Amino acid sequence: AQKVTQAQTEISVVEKEDVTLDCVYETRDTTYYLFWYKQPPSGELVFLIRRNSFDEQNEISGRYSWNFQKSTSSFNFTITASQVVDSAVYFCALVKAAGNKLTFGGGTRVLVKP
Amino acid sequence: NAGVTQTPKFQVLKTGQSMTLQCAQDMNHEYMSWYRQDPGMGLRLIHYSVGAGITDQGEVPNGYNVSRSTTEDFPLRLLSAAPSQTSVYFCGVRGQGLGNSPLHFGNGTRLTVT
Repeated sequence: AQKVTQAQTEISVVEKEDVTLDCVYETRDTTYYLFWYKQPPSGELVFLIRRNSFDEQNEISGRYSWNFQKSTSSFNFTITASQVVDSAVYFCALVKAAGNKLTFGGGTRVLVKP
Repeated sequence: NAGVTQTPKFQVLKTGQSMTLQCAQDMNHEYMSWYRQDPGMGLRLIHYSVGAGITDQGEVPNGYNVSRSTTEDFPLRLLSAAPSQTSVYFCGVRGQGLGNSPLHFGNGTRLTVT
């Protein structure tokens, strides 16, 4: 069975601070995909990134960066120089290759104060 | 191009009532799914379909029925609503190969059962 754990339920920072969201996963599959989604206060779910288990390169997209470490089964997400617009709930998710069931973590609520 | 459309946006039911949550997509994708979102539990898969005429259960299928008669539509039916089904429901759609493409979600239906 797959499991995704986001131990931080809520993180509060002041604007311009960096914030790192932890994601730890469990799977018996050797090939799988990891995702991050953002859910702003308006409620929609926005896809941020997809990473496959064979690609351990870190990725940076603007102020967002992701650190995938297969050895520790973690796929952490960092927001650099946070802004109020980053306030949202962030979800980490996992699916095995060719699988049909995406497993989500419980989410981390990020509150960025001005 | 609407993408994924969910209706209604809000619904209040009394215990024992029935209703259907609608999900329609115009992306011609084969895979459609229903998730429910509850505080602290992330999103959990209810049912999914890999094409017209094919459906399967997810993690929390009890109390819900689905059918898929067309590529475009994937309705979720509650035959006898219970307070435990109070939640936000999301329909997710993707092209073939979950690992190769992310789910695109509708804007959600907020359901309250009293």
